[in-house]
Amino acid sequence: AQKITQTQPGMFVQEKEAVTLDCTYDTSDQSYGLFWYKQPSSGEMIFLIYQGSYDEQNATEGRYSLNFQKARKSANLVISASQLGDSAMYFCAMIGITGGGNKLTFGTGTQLKVEL
Amino acid sequence: ETGVTQTPRHLVMGMTNKKSLKCEQHLGHNAMYWYKQSAKKPLELMFVYSLEERVENNSVPSRFSPECPNSSHLFLHLHTLQPEDSALYLCASSQSAVPGNTIYFGEGSWLTVV
Repeated sequence: AQKITQTQPGMFVQEKEAVTLDCTYDTSDQSYGLFWYKQPSSGEMIFLIYQGSYDEQNATEGRYSLNFQKARKSANLVISASQLGDSAMYFCAMIGITGGGNKLTFGTGTQLKVEL
Repeated sequence: ETGVTQTPRHLVMGMTNKKSLKCEQHLGHNAMYWYKQSAKKPLELMFVYSLEERVENNSVPSRFSPECPNSSHLFLHLHTLQPEDSALYLCASSQSAVPGNTIYFGEGSWLTVV
């Protein structure tokens, strides 16, 4: 079984600042994948970034980077140079690759608000 | 424009009604999913289809009935729902149902049961 924990229900950041959203996970799988999704108020779940458990380098996608610390079982999302459009709910999720099926386990999310 | 489109975006239905949610993916994927997102709860996987065959049914009540007529379309038929079924229903797709494939979501259908 997998479990994702996001301990920050809400975060505020000023425009142009960087922000880190925390995510810790628990799994018995040796091989797994970690995802971050963004959900604006419209409801769409937008894929941001992926990190495989055996990837040696932290994933980066534009302003998004994933601070992956395997020993600590954490996969924090870092957003650099925050923009007003970054205000949304952010979900951390994982898949156990050795398990059956392509099933995402989600955390409870962090509501990010970017302020002027 | 999203590669996964859902209609309707908003639906209000009575407990005795029958309605359907529709999902279409334009990504050439072979796996499709229904997820349920209730307030203050993590997203829950409901159904997984791979090549039009249901491969996962996550203990979902029978008042939710999925249908996958082809690899591009997925329906969720709703009948005699309860108010606690009010939620955001998200359709998603991935290249295959093999673990590790990135899952892409649609915009969701907001369902209110009155």
